[in-house]
Amino acid sequence: ETGVTQTPRHLVMGMTNKKSLKCEQHLGHNAMYWYKQSAKKPLELMFVYSLEERVENNSVPSRFSPECPNSSHLFLHLHTLQPEDSALYLCASTPGRDRGGYTFGSGTRLTVV
Amino acid sequence: LAKTTQPISMDSYEGQEVNITCSHNNIATNDYITWYQQFPSQGPRFIIQGYKTKVTNEVASLFIPADRKSSTLSLPRVSLSDTAVYYCLVGDTNFNKFYFGSGTKLNVKP
Repeated sequence: ETGVTQTPRHLVMGMTNKKSLKCEQHLGHNAMYWYKQSAKKPLELMFVYSLEERVENNSVPSRFSPECPNSSHLFLHLHTLQPEDSALYLCASTPGRDRGGYTFGSGTRLTVV
Repeated sequence: LAKTTQPISMDSYEGQEVNITCSHNNIATNDYITWYQQFPSQGPRFIIQGYKTKVTNEVASLFIPADRKSSTLSLPRVSLSDTAVYYCLVGDTNFNKFYFGSGTKLNVKP
């Protein structure tokens, strides 16, 4: 374990379903992120939260809805997804601004059928 | 945002030293350079981070010339388990918005 825990590890959902991905970190980090990694594509930054406030929404469709109730937890709510949304969804955290040092979770492998 | 350019792939043999170079011509004064390793179906793992000159840890070395427009990740004596994708990232000064490029796929052969 890296210190960032993602659940579930695998998820299969229909296009009409509603599901949520969960991310948890107890590293004392102040910023959390969602990334999407599709097959043979670079990681795409989706959302950034700094001190529980969303500071980046990288043109992500509204069928993806993030939630950050506190600095340790991050959710990604999913509804009416499309098959092309199938990907590995990665959560990460960092200590704060201006420094690298992402700690990533193991990801959720999402398949939309 | 500083953009990075890396070779798409590299081949090596076990026991060799591997050097992966990254270009970042538009790096800003406050930006750090960070390298990650990613295995299939796993999240990237932090390898090393630096600002200038040379940084070394138990896994790798990072060489950064004075103009900081490039950097080189050096992996000593690679093994088969080092086969992975390696990403070079340059930090954004406003928020932690690090954009990953395509990375370098390193293939270590026996």
